[in-house]
Amino acid sequence: DIQMTQSPSSLSASVGDRVTISCQASQAISNSLNWYQQKPGKAPKLLIYDAYILETGAPSRFSGSGSGTDFTLTISSLQPEDVATYYCQQFENLPAFGGGTKVEIQ
Amino acid sequence: QVHLVQSGAEVRKPGASVKVSCKASGYTVTYHYIHWVRQAPGQGLEYVGLFNPTSGTTTYAQNFQGRVTVTGDTSTSTVYLELSSLRSEDTALYFCARSQTPTELDGFDVWGQGTVVTVSS
Repeated sequence: DIQMTQSPSSLSASVGDRVTISCQASQAISNSLNWYQQKPGKAPKLLIYDAYILETGAPSRFSGSGSGTDFTLTISSLQPEDVATYYCQQFENLPAFGGGTKVEIQ
Repeated sequence: QVHLVQSGAEVRKPGASVKVSCKASGYTVTYHYIHWVRQAPGQGLEYVGLFNPTSGTTTYAQNFQGRVTVTGDTSTSTVYLELSSLRSEDTALYFCARSQTPTELDGFDVWGQGTVVTVSS
C-alpha cells in the first residue's frame, strides 16, 4: 500500500500570510494526488485534483504543485475562512489519505 | 443537482454488524465509483473501500478486509456498507463519496452528509 505523509500536522499563521503544506508519497504516484479541505462537522471538499488543477468554485488563492513523490498545497494569502484541516490523497492505486494539516489563524 | 444521501445514525454493541446506505441522485449512477471513508472522533480520514457500479465489483482497504462488505443496487441508485464484528475503534463518522470522472479512480467531488456509527456496550 502507498503511504502518504503530510507536514506539518498543524500550523498557525496570520491573515494574508503565504502558507504551504507538504505531502510525501511512499512511492512515485505521478500526478495522482488530490487535496481536500475539511471544516469541523462537515464532509471534506475537493480543492485540487491531479496535483495542480483547481476544482471549480475553489478560490484561486489555492494552488497545488509536485509530481512523483513530493507535493505541495499553497494558500497564497490566508483568509479567515481558510481555517480548516487539509488532507492529501493519492489515487495511483486504492486511495489513501495523508494524516491532515490543521490550519489556524494567529 | 448531484446528491449523496446517507442513512441515519446507528448504535451497536461490540461484536454486532451495521449496514449504512448511500443513495445517489442527479447523475447516471452506473458510471461513477462510490467510495467509503471513515473518520474517528478527532482523527483523520481513513479509506474503507469502493464499489464500481459499472462492473459490480468491490475493492477494500487492507485494514478492513474480512470485516467489510460493500454492495450496490443500481436499480435504486443505492450503495451499502456493512461492517461486522464491530469494536469500539469502529466508532466513527462514515462518509460515502463519488469519483468525479466516470469510470476513473480520481478526486471525490460529491460527498454524503456522513453517518455516525457508535459502538458501545
